[in-house]
Amino acid sequence: DADVTQTPRNRITKTGKRIMLECSQTKGHDRMYWYRQDPGLGLRLIYYSFDVKDINKGEISDGYSVSRQAQAKFSLSLESAIPNQTALYFCATSDNTGTGVGEQYFGPGTRLTVT
Amino acid sequence: GEDVEQSLFLSVREGDSSVINCTYTDSSSTYLYWYKQEPGAGLQLLTYIFSNMDMKQDQRLTVLLNKKDKHLSLRIADTQTGDSAIYFCAESTSGTYKYIFGTGTRLKVLA
Repeated sequence: DADVTQTPRNRITKTGKRIMLECSQTKGHDRMYWYRQDPGLGLRLIYYSFDVKDINKGEISDGYSVSRQAQAKFSLSLESAIPNQTALYFCATSDNTGTGVGEQYFGPGTRLTVT
Repeated sequence: GEDVEQSLFLSVREGDSSVINCTYTDSSSTYLYWYKQEPGAGLQLLTYIFSNMDMKQDQRLTVLLNKKDKHLSLRIADTQTGDSAIYFCAESTSGTYKYIFGTGTRLKVLA
């Protein structure tokens, strides 16, 4: 089974709708991240969380919110979707023990289209 | 702010070597990484180099780091069609959350 899973994998929604993207991990990592990927722009950080009680904005958090329901679950919400939020969204985790090389483990992505 | 830049496309013939380049601005980087993204999948770590190293070799992969010029490269020897993917350069600084990705280079391998 995959270590980091995302649901749904694909979603088409209309402008103004609320949508939630979910992420679960079995790696036991404390750190979780949400990124969006746009062609030619690479990955940009939306939000990150170092534990259940620690949530922080990334470089492009406007229009997004997150919830860390448990160590293993981190969800991303678009309260009122707009077309320029059409993108590929990735959840990632990383170890915070300080003994590793800081590798991030990515989910398979959610392709979101806002019409 | 910190930035990581890569060219967007590279095309090579099967069996040739590929060289993907990356420049970064953060002089406090601790680790520099190369991630591979295959179609329909998330990113996977391919290799990494610690900032006090100049070179790292791992089978067909050679990573070169020029810290003075803040330039990182990934050489893939004997490139195969299965190497076709998007390659992301990334850097992180120990002790912080910061993890900056480049724009990605799409490698196309021609048979």
